[in-house]
Amino acid sequence: DTEVTQTPKHLVMGMTNKKSLKCEQHMGHRAMYWYKQKAKKPPELMFVYSYEKLSINESVPSRFSPECPNSSLLNLHLHALQPEDSALYLCASSQERRGRAYEQYFGPGTRLTVT
Amino acid sequence: GEDVEQSLFLSVREGDSSVINCTYTDSSSTYLYWYKQEPGAGLQLLTYIFSNMDMKQDQRLTVLLNKKDKHLSLRIADTQTGDSAIYFCAELNTGGFKTIFGAGTRLFVKA
Repeated sequence: DTEVTQTPKHLVMGMTNKKSLKCEQHMGHRAMYWYKQKAKKPPELMFVYSYEKLSINESVPSRFSPECPNSSLLNLHLHALQPEDSALYLCASSQERRGRAYEQYFGPGTRLTVT
Repeated sequence: GEDVEQSLFLSVREGDSSVINCTYTDSSSTYLYWYKQEPGAGLQLLTYIFSNMDMKQDQRLTVLLNKKDKHLSLRIADTQTGDSAIYFCAELNTGGFKTIFGAGTRLFVKA
């Protein structure tokens, strides 16, 4: 099973709302990632969790708050977003051994629209 | 720094072979990946090759690596309309977690 699931599939939120994106994998992967992808662009890395600890934050604004409750789950909490934050948000996971990661498996994404 | 470049567009006829090219800059040991993205979907891992290999074949897919020129290609044999998608070349340095993606090649298959 190489499946990464993400919910919701689509999300429309106002600039004053608080919402969360969820990601789940059952491949036993210990590294999990959040990416942001704008139309016709490659994914941009936002956060990396390694063994449930935040390993990389790519200078992401604090209105995005990641959380890794356990080794299978990854959340992205959203608050006071801007219209330019509208994008496809992708979750990915990978094996990790001795501090290095391997090929990433991506979820289907959440299409976020901020109004 | 690390960079991955690829051509942006390729159009082929159904049944022909497609060749998508990519260049990378990292000179250390690395994994090189090909991902496929269909409209509105996530990225699907197609295949990958380690930087000490020359070639990898997986059914209709052939990956060729020229280490001297840091050039990677993905050949799709007998291209079908279902192969129409964006193909991303990506590089992962063995030292870390960051995968560097190319801009993506949009493959259009004409029936």
